[in-house]
Amino acid sequence: DAKTTQPPSMDCAEGRAANLPCNHSTISGNEYVYWYRQIHSQGPQYIIHGLKNNETNEMASLIITEDRKSSTLILPHATLRDTAVYYCIVRVDGSSNTGKLIFGQGTTLQVKP
Amino acid sequence: KAGVTQTPRYLIKTRGQQVTLSCSPISGHRSVSWYQQTPGQGLQFLFEYFSETQRNKGNFPGRFSGRQFSNSRSEMNVSTLELGDSALYLCAGRGEANTGELFFGEGSRLTVL
Repeated sequence: DAKTTQPPSMDCAEGRAANLPCNHSTISGNEYVYWYRQIHSQGPQYIIHGLKNNETNEMASLIITEDRKSSTLILPHATLRDTAVYYCIVRVDGSSNTGKLIFGQGTTLQVKP
Repeated sequence: KAGVTQTPRYLIKTRGQQVTLSCSPISGHRSVSWYQQTPGQGLQFLFEYFSETQRNKGNFPGRFSGRQFSNSRSEMNVSTLELGDSALYLCAGRGEANTGELFFGEGSRLTVL
């Protein structure tokens, strides 16, 4: 699975959009981009994933560049409850795949009042 | 729909003892993965079980083992505990779709004295 690079920490004002970047320059054509977050002392929570197209769900939007070498997770209106460590993961999905995720150090997002 | 249940939530052991942790995935989820989280190493994959068979294993010593029962509940065991085994142990279930969308429990926090 491709390696990802994320900034160690970011701040965001409550109510503003939080844009979390992720570099995955060695991503392969069949690798998906996944985002998880981990609120303190809880298990990681799945947010969103995508392959090529931009994706949106009730939690966030995922913007993947055309060359797929980087992506941005957008939390449109950050709240204090969004303070967490955000992990960007790339992996191959498919019938032979397993429940193994390779977590990096992630980005600690601090949402401030 | 009940979430992933891990027991016990907290436990304290001494060096040399052994410990067994339990995980019940969401009903219908047949895959269970285990992860260890420490401040120094972050989240690391231990192993995955599917239909009572180990499918994949991380880079941990043989003291770490697991099993899965016919009802998909899983246990992991750590024998001859060491101080460095102090960690948050997380399990995650996965549905039928072979994606990276895992559902994590709250974890079992093990302290080895």
